[in-house]
Amino acid sequence: QKEVEQDPGPLSVPEGAIVSLNCTYSNSAFQYFMWYRQYSRKGPELLMYTYSSGNKEDGRFTAQVDKSSKYISLFIRDSQPSDSATYLCAMRSTNRLAFGKGNQVVVIP
Amino acid sequence: EAGVVQSPRYKIIEKKQPVAFWCNPISGHNTLYWYLQNLGQGPELLIRYENEEAVDDSQLPKDRFSAERLKGVDSTLKIQPAELGDSAVYLCASSLGLVDGELFFGEGSRLTVL
Repeated sequence: QKEVEQDPGPLSVPEGAIVSLNCTYSNSAFQYFMWYRQYSRKGPELLMYTYSSGNKEDGRFTAQVDKSSKYISLFIRDSQPSDSATYLCAMRSTNRLAFGKGNQVVVIP
Repeated sequence: EAGVVQSPRYKIIEKKQPVAFWCNPISGHNTLYWYLQNLGQGPELLIRYENEEAVDDSQLPKDRFSAERLKGVDSTLKIQPAELGDSAVYLCASSLGLVDGELFFGEGSRLTVL
Protein backbone atom coordinates (compact mmCIF):
# COMPACT_ATOMS: atom_id res chain seq x y z
CA GLN A 1 0.00 0.00 0.00
CA LYS A 2 1.37 3.39 -0.98
CA GLU A 3 1.69 6.05 1.72
CA VAL A 4 -0.70 8.37 -0.10
CA GLU A 5 -3.44 7.13 -2.39
CA GLN A 6 -5.19 9.47 -4.79
CA ASP A 7 -7.34 8.13 -7.58
CA PRO A 8 -5.79 9.84 -10.62
CA GLY A 9 -8.79 9.42 -12.90
CA PRO A 10 -9.59 12.60 -14.88
CA LEU A 11 -12.72 14.43 -13.81
CA SER A 12 -14.86 16.51 -16.16
CA VAL A 13 -17.62 18.67 -14.71
CA PRO A 14 -19.88 21.42 -16.08
CA GLU A 15 -19.25 24.98 -14.98
CA GLY A 16 -20.92 25.72 -11.65
CA ALA A 17 -20.79 22.13 -10.39
CA ILE A 18 -19.18 21.04 -7.13
CA VAL A 19 -15.86 19.23 -7.54
CA SER A 20 -15.00 16.64 -4.91
CA LEU A 21 -11.49 15.19 -4.62
CA ASN A 22 -10.03 12.94 -1.95
CA CYS A 23 -6.94 11.13 -0.74
CA THR A 24 -6.26 8.43 1.79
CA TYR A 25 -3.04 7.82 3.66
CA SER A 26 -1.50 5.12 5.78
CA ASN A 27 1.23 6.90 7.75
CA SER A 28 -0.07 8.13 11.11
CA ALA A 29 2.95 10.43 11.42
CA PHE A 30 1.48 12.77 8.80
CA GLN A 31 0.22 15.81 10.65
CA TYR A 32 0.04 18.51 7.98
CA PHE A 33 -2.22 18.24 4.97
CA MET A 34 -2.09 20.28 1.82
CA TRP A 35 -3.68 20.61 -1.58
CA TYR A 36 -1.63 21.88 -4.48
CA ARG A 37 -2.94 23.06 -7.83
CA GLN A 38 -0.84 22.51 -10.94
CA TYR A 39 -1.68 24.11 -14.25
CA SER A 40 -0.37 22.53 -17.42
CA ARG A 41 3.39 23.01 -17.86
CA LYS A 42 3.66 24.87 -14.55
CA GLY A 43 4.92 23.94 -11.10
CA PRO A 44 2.48 23.09 -8.30
CA GLU A 45 1.24 25.97 -6.14
CA LEU A 46 -0.18 25.69 -2.65
CA LEU A 47 -3.94 25.98 -2.53
CA MET A 48 -4.95 24.89 0.97
CA TYR A 49 -3.03 23.95 4.11
CA THR A 50 -4.39 22.48 7.33
CA TYR A 51 -3.14 20.49 10.28
CA SER A 52 -6.24 19.60 12.24
CA SER A 53 -9.26 17.43 11.65
CA GLY A 54 -12.30 19.30 10.44
CA ASN A 55 -13.05 21.75 7.69
CA LYS A 56 -11.18 24.79 6.46
CA GLU A 57 -12.74 27.19 3.99
CA ASP A 58 -11.11 29.66 1.66
CA GLY A 59 -13.51 31.24 -0.76
CA ARG A 60 -14.91 28.55 -3.04
CA PHE A 61 -12.50 25.95 -1.65
CA THR A 62 -13.03 23.71 1.38
CA ALA A 63 -10.42 21.30 2.72
CA GLN A 64 -11.62 18.53 4.98
CA VAL A 65 -9.45 16.28 7.14
CA ASP A 66 -10.51 13.17 9.04
CA LYS A 67 -7.44 11.89 10.89
CA SER A 68 -9.29 8.98 12.45
CA SER A 69 -10.11 7.62 8.99
CA LYS A 70 -6.87 8.89 7.40
CA TYR A 71 -8.88 10.63 4.72
CA ILE A 72 -8.72 14.13 3.31
CA SER A 73 -10.94 15.90 0.80
CA LEU A 74 -11.05 19.04 -1.28
CA PHE A 75 -14.30 20.58 -2.44
CA ILE A 76 -14.57 23.29 -5.07
CA ARG A 77 -17.92 25.08 -5.16
CA ASP A 78 -19.27 26.91 -8.21
CA SER A 79 -16.43 25.53 -10.33
CA GLN A 80 -15.05 27.78 -13.05
CA PRO A 81 -13.14 26.97 -16.26
CA SER A 82 -10.11 28.59 -14.60
CA ASP A 83 -10.22 25.78 -12.02
CA SER A 84 -9.20 23.32 -14.76
CA ALA A 85 -5.91 21.93 -13.49
CA THR A 86 -4.37 18.97 -11.74
CA TYR A 87 -4.93 18.86 -7.99
CA LEU A 88 -2.33 17.13 -5.82
CA CYS A 89 -2.79 16.19 -2.21
CA ALA A 90 0.33 16.30 -0.05
CA MET A 91 1.05 15.26 3.51
CA ARG A 92 3.89 16.10 5.80
CA SER A 93 5.43 14.75 8.98
CA THR A 94 8.43 16.21 10.77
CA ASN A 95 10.85 14.76 8.24
CA ARG A 96 8.87 13.70 5.21
CA LEU A 97 6.60 15.17 2.57
CA ALA A 98 4.65 12.87 0.27
CA PHE A 99 2.42 13.68 -2.72
CA GLY A 100 -0.51 11.88 -4.24
CA LYS A 101 -0.63 11.18 -7.98
CA GLY A 102 -2.93 14.09 -8.67
CA ASN A 103 -6.43 14.46 -10.15
CA GLN A 104 -6.87 16.19 -13.49
CA VAL A 105 -10.00 18.33 -13.36
CA VAL A 106 -11.62 19.85 -16.44
CA VAL A 107 -14.43 22.37 -15.96
CA ILE A 108 -16.49 22.64 -19.12
CA PRO A 109 -18.03 26.06 -19.87
CA GLU B 1 9.59 38.96 -4.91
CA ALA B 2 11.11 36.58 -7.44
CA GLY B 3 9.99 32.99 -7.30
CA VAL B 4 12.02 29.83 -7.77
CA VAL B 5 13.84 30.06 -11.07
CA GLN B 6 14.80 27.00 -13.08
CA SER B 7 16.64 26.59 -16.33
CA PRO B 8 16.49 25.33 -18.94
CA ARG B 9 12.71 24.99 -19.27
CA TYR B 10 13.07 22.37 -21.99
CA LYS B 11 15.91 20.08 -22.97
CA ILE B 12 16.09 17.40 -25.65
CA ILE B 13 19.12 15.14 -25.72
CA GLU B 14 20.23 11.82 -27.10
CA LYS B 15 20.55 8.92 -24.68
CA LYS B 16 23.94 8.56 -23.03
CA GLN B 17 24.48 12.32 -23.19
CA PRO B 18 24.90 14.38 -20.01
CA VAL B 19 22.44 17.05 -18.92
CA ALA B 20 22.36 19.60 -16.12
CA PHE B 21 19.54 21.59 -14.57
CA TRP B 22 19.95 24.74 -12.53
CA CYS B 23 17.79 26.13 -9.75
CA ASN B 24 17.81 29.46 -7.93
CA PRO B 25 15.56 29.31 -4.84
CA ILE B 26 13.70 32.13 -3.17
CA SER B 27 16.06 34.36 -1.23
CA GLY B 28 16.33 33.29 2.40
CA HIS B 29 14.93 29.81 1.88
CA ASN B 30 17.24 27.34 3.58
CA THR B 31 15.58 24.19 2.30
CA LEU B 32 15.83 23.21 -1.35
CA TYR B 33 14.25 20.20 -3.01
CA TRP B 34 14.62 18.46 -6.34
CA TYR B 35 11.60 16.46 -7.43
CA LEU B 36 10.97 14.20 -10.40
CA GLN B 37 7.51 14.26 -11.95
CA ASN B 38 6.48 11.72 -14.55
CA LEU B 39 3.43 12.27 -16.70
CA GLY B 40 0.25 11.69 -14.70
CA GLN B 41 2.13 11.24 -11.44
CA GLY B 42 2.80 13.35 -8.39
CA PRO B 43 6.24 14.77 -7.63
CA GLU B 44 8.74 12.30 -6.16
CA LEU B 45 11.60 13.56 -4.05
CA LEU B 46 15.11 13.09 -5.41
CA ILE B 47 17.08 15.10 -2.89
CA ARG B 48 16.55 17.66 -0.12
CA TYR B 49 19.09 20.19 1.05
CA GLU B 50 19.21 22.06 4.32
CA ASN B 51 21.54 24.93 3.42
CA GLU B 52 24.41 23.21 1.61
CA GLU B 53 23.95 19.81 3.26
CA ALA B 54 22.09 17.02 1.48
CA VAL B 55 19.93 15.64 4.30
CA ASP B 56 17.78 13.25 2.27
CA ASP B 57 19.15 11.75 -0.94
CA SER B 58 17.85 8.24 -0.41
CA GLN B 59 15.82 8.32 -3.66
CA LEU B 60 18.56 9.79 -5.84
CA PRO B 61 19.96 7.20 -8.30
CA LYS B 62 23.56 7.89 -7.45
CA ASP B 63 25.03 5.85 -10.28
CA ARG B 64 23.97 8.50 -12.78
CA PHE B 65 22.49 11.42 -10.86
CA SER B 66 24.40 13.98 -8.85
CA ALA B 67 23.49 17.26 -7.24
CA GLU B 68 25.21 20.08 -5.49
CA ARG B 69 24.22 23.23 -3.69
CA LEU B 70 27.16 25.53 -3.45
CA LYS B 71 27.15 28.13 -0.67
CA GLY B 72 23.65 27.03 0.27
CA VAL B 73 21.96 29.01 -2.49
CA ASP B 74 21.80 27.84 -6.12
CA SER B 75 21.69 24.16 -6.93
CA THR B 76 22.52 22.01 -9.93
CA LEU B 77 21.16 18.56 -10.73
CA LYS B 78 23.14 16.51 -13.22
CA ILE B 79 22.41 13.29 -15.07
CA GLN B 80 25.25 11.43 -16.73
CA PRO B 81 24.63 9.44 -18.81
CA ALA B 82 20.94 10.05 -19.50
CA GLU B 83 18.66 7.10 -20.26
CA LEU B 84 15.34 6.97 -22.09
CA GLY B 85 13.51 6.49 -18.79
CA ASP B 86 14.83 9.79 -17.47
CA SER B 87 12.39 11.69 -19.66
CA ALA B 88 10.32 13.64 -17.15
CA VAL B 89 9.88 17.04 -15.54
CA TYR B 90 12.46 17.98 -12.92
CA LEU B 91 10.99 20.35 -10.37
CA CYS B 92 12.93 22.47 -7.93
CA ALA B 93 11.25 23.81 -4.82
CA SER B 94 12.32 25.81 -1.80
CA SER B 95 10.95 26.57 1.64
CA LEU B 96 11.98 28.25 4.86
CA GLY B 97 12.26 24.80 6.42
CA LEU B 98 10.80 21.30 6.19
CA VAL B 99 8.52 21.49 9.19
CA ASP B 100 7.26 24.99 8.70
CA GLY B 101 6.75 26.99 5.60
CA GLU B 102 5.13 26.42 2.30
CA LEU B 103 6.97 24.79 -0.59
CA PHE B 104 7.36 27.10 -3.55
CA PHE B 105 7.97 25.33 -6.85
CA GLY B 106 9.68 26.48 -9.99
CA GLU B 107 8.09 25.88 -13.37
CA GLY B 108 10.21 22.81 -13.94
CA SER B 109 12.70 21.58 -16.51
CA ARG B 110 11.19 19.20 -19.02
CA LEU B 111 13.67 16.61 -20.24
CA THR B 112 13.18 14.48 -23.33
CA VAL B 113 15.73 11.73 -23.95
CA LEU B 114 15.72 10.30 -27.50
